[in-house]
Amino acid sequence: QVQLVQSGSELKKPGASVEVSCKASGYTFTDYAINWVRQAPGQGLEWMGWINPKTGNPTYAQGFRGRFVFSLDTSLTTTYLQISSLKTEDTAVYYCARALAVDGTAENAYWGQGTLVTVSS
Amino acid sequence: QSALTQPRSVSGSPGQSVTISCTGTSSDVGGHNLVTWYQQLPGKAPKFIIYDVGERPSGVPDRFSGSKFGNTAYLTISGLQAEDEADYYCCSYAGRYTSVFGTGTKVTVL
Repeated sequence: QVQLVQSGSELKKPGASVEVSCKASGYTFTDYAINWVRQAPGQGLEWMGWINPKTGNPTYAQGFRGRFVFSLDTSLTTTYLQISSLKTEDTAVYYCARALAVDGTAENAYWGQGTLVTVSS
Repeated sequence: QSALTQPRSVSGSPGQSVTISCTGTSSDVGGHNLVTWYQQLPGKAPKFIIYDVGERPSGVPDRFSGSKFGNTAYLTISGLQAEDEADYYCCSYAGRYTSVFGTGTKVTVL
């Protein structure tokens, strides 16, 4: 069955960097887009962007350009989210999600369990 | 890209129907038949319950239905059950391979 397993919670200081991984299994990795979604504490879902697994090309939503980087390792069927120059307002649960198509963005049928990133001095 | 507008909360008694609206613009909801609805239980990842405006993935009860008129999409839960109490989010394709979520609606079963 399709599974997305994310890396564990992280506690970081402001200004540091963090990497969240999302390991996919149960399907052909290069056939479906991976989207990233942020949820700050007590807040709603926010679409961050996606990465095309065939080309490795990322697309970022406004507000997530510059400090946020999506990448992937096809051999490991794993997608990564890197956040640099962390700010306290980056504290959130970050989800990876698999779309219904190789270029899908809104329609995410499968989700990782979420990774809590806490930024605090 | 501004978030789609949803009511903050809706409520209903068991067995009743509730409808959640999701209002966007002609660039997102109104311009594409790619509206998805997610259900999120407390502390859990979102669950995919409607896609392509009104299509239901396998395993989702037919009590959940979706529709769209102009720039507003709707999720209707018929025969409300206690386990439907959750947060619900719409999400729409917004062109140029981007998407946008709604503000979220808390459904309370009285």
